[in-house]
Amino acid sequence: AQKVTQAQTEISVVEKEDVTLDCVYETRDTTYYLFWYKQPPSGELVFLIRRNSFDEQNEISGRYSWNFQKSTSSFNFTITASQVVDSAVYFCALSFSQGGSEKLVFGKGTKLTVNP
Amino acid sequence: DTGVSQDPRHKITKRGQNVTFRCDPISEHNRLYWYRQTLGQGPEFLTYFQNEAQLEKSRLLSDRFSAERPKGSFSTLEIQRTEQGDSAMYLCASSPRTEKNTEAFFGQGTRLTVV
Repeated sequence: AQKVTQAQTEISVVEKEDVTLDCVYETRDTTYYLFWYKQPPSGELVFLIRRNSFDEQNEISGRYSWNFQKSTSSFNFTITASQVVDSAVYFCALSFSQGGSEKLVFGKGTKLTVNP
Repeated sequence: DTGVSQDPRHKITKRGQNVTFRCDPISEHNRLYWYRQTLGQGPEFLTYFQNEAQLEKSRLLSDRFSAERPKGSFSTLEIQRTEQGDSAMYLCASSPRTEKNTEAFFGQGTRLTVV
């Protein structure tokens, strides 16, 4: 079964704190893709990152960084020096490379609140 | 590139009525998806089009739901005889077929409330 688990339902931090959002996935496929999306209150899902299963290099983009570990089936997301504008719901998602739709399977999301 | 556009943004309907939503994908994207999102949950896949062909449907898509993409451009999602359980955000996404599993671009969604 293909599944994404985001165990943290809600996280609240104070501005400038670092915060890590956890994502654990399950799949039997050897080739798959992992994503993070941000959903601000406006509702539109905003793409943040895409990573394929063969690329375990960690990635940094400004204040955002991602840690992909196949050994633990995790793809965690860290925001450094959080800001109020980072407040949103963050979704981790998985898609498979079996042809067909390549649809996304989402976790339930983690609601991040950054307080001033 | 104006992004994925969905209309209407909000819809309130009485139980038993039919509703139709429209999605205009990014113009050069040949893949189009519909997802449904309920409160506190992640989006769940409903159906997928490649150009005008509907190639995959989720078991979530009951007989009361139908989706079309007649000319491979915009798409419509119709729900017949709405039920209170249909209340949700309906999200449309599109992506190009330029490489494997490329990211999908989402619209702002249509929030449906069935009263």
